[in-house]
Amino acid sequence: QVQLVQSGAEVKKPGASVKVSCKASGYTFTSYDYDINWVRQATGQGLEMVGWMNPNSGNTAYAQRFQGRVTMTTNTSISTAYMELRSLRSEDTAVYYCARSDGQNIDFGMDVWGQGTTVTVSS
Amino acid sequence: QSVLTQPPSASGPPGQRVTISCSGSSSNIGSNTVNWYQQLPGTAPKLLIYSNNQRPSGVPDRFSGSKSGTSASLAISGLQSADEADYFCAAWDDSLNGLYVFGTGTKVTVL
Repeated sequence: QVQLVQSGAEVKKPGASVKVSCKASGYTFTSYDYDINWVRQATGQGLEMVGWMNPNSGNTAYAQRFQGRVTMTTNTSISTAYMELRSLRSEDTAVYYCARSDGQNIDFGMDVWGQGTTVTVSS
Repeated sequence: QSVLTQPPSASGPPGQRVTISCSGSSSNIGSNTVNWYQQLPGTAPKLLIYSNNQRPSGVPDRFSGSKSGTSASLAISGLQSADEADYFCAAWDDSLNGLYVFGTGTKVTVL
């Protein structure tokens, strides 16, 4: 079955960087159809879009508030997407999710989600 | 930062119908279709409705969606205890670098 499996929880100090991975299985990772989105959720809060990347084209789009601090990449040989967030601050403490969407049709939404990775930023 | 506005809570006894609203603007709901996600406690969100009113395979027909102008709604009929969850609307926003935006979320409680 189609699955996204994320890396484990991270604890980082303010100012550090974190890199979260998301391994895809059950579908063709480099199909031009599919984007990988990154969404975060602080405890008790709503969902916030961080950005997306298309593993086939390498195209990315980042939410304005993360511009300059986030980089999304992929390793297509192991069907894995990565999100690196730099200059961490306490407000970045959240669960980070990867989720698949159809890059050719925005109507279809995010149909497969990873289990989430908790990132804690604390001194 | 949520761009779409939802009521913080909704509730009803088992068997009742509950409706959740989602208000946006011309750059998101007004121009694109709406998706709804269900998030059970401690789990990742799950796609519930896509393209305004379509249900993915396996989603009961008790869940239905609609859209009019810059607003959308999710209805849950025959409310069950298993429906107690957070619900988020989402839509593509043409003005934000080409990204999805999410609603503020609604907590549904079954009384």
